[in-house]
Amino acid sequence: DIQMTQSPSSLSVSVGDRVTITCRTSQTISSHLNWYRQKPGKAPQLLVYSASILQSGVPSRFSGSKSGTDFTLTISSVQPEDFATYYCQQSYSIPWTFGQGTKVE
Amino acid sequence: QVQLQESGPGLLKPSQTLSLTCTVSGDSITSGNYYWSWIRQPAGKGLECIGRIYPGESPKYNPSLGSRVSISVDTSKNQFFLKLTSVTAADAAVYYCARARGEWERLGAFDVWGQGTTVTVS
Repeated sequence: DIQMTQSPSSLSVSVGDRVTITCRTSQTISSHLNWYRQKPGKAPQLLVYSASILQSGVPSRFSGSKSGTDFTLTISSVQPEDFATYYCQQSYSIPWTFGQGTKVE
Repeated sequence: QVQLQESGPGLLKPSQTLSLTCTVSGDSITSGNYYWSWIRQPAGKGLECIGRIYPGESPKYNPSLGSRVSISVDTSKNQFFLKLTSVTAADAAVYYCARARGEWERLGAFDVWGQGTTVTVS
């Protein structure tokens, strides 16, 4: 299985802060990396797919990037609704796997 | 818009079989290029892909679940199903059904999710 190392596991921020979350994969996965936001008690919501493409309807403060096997999700200015847990997911090989999550509080 | 809804028993005893149904509404399960998937999340923990099915093809499973898992689809009812045999406390989780994109540039991105159903094993 492809291992996903997501960091940090949590971070404390204030509204308006810039946030960066990183996901490192154990092998090359092309750009098959997706990012989700999960609010408490809710299903995850797709934010970014193919490493850097914003899902339709997702605010432009979210962006994704790739450098080798390192992938980054950036929130340019955190809003109150962004306090949640974020997950990366590789869809390059079966089984598709998720990172451990990053709680933004 | 497409919506997914999970249904099934919420309480099982150890060694029983978990059976869940995901009903797809708003579009045909055979239209488009999608994988229909099951994902679970134990309380307070992360997400685990259980498996997926593409109508007309053999399902793919997470090897960690071995031969306990099976996923099937009924296109006439616009539903797909999860069966997990010999459940233990470790199988207690919120179970989600989700739609994954099938086109190469979006492969495996889960863009539509059900609300989730809680399964307790006790």
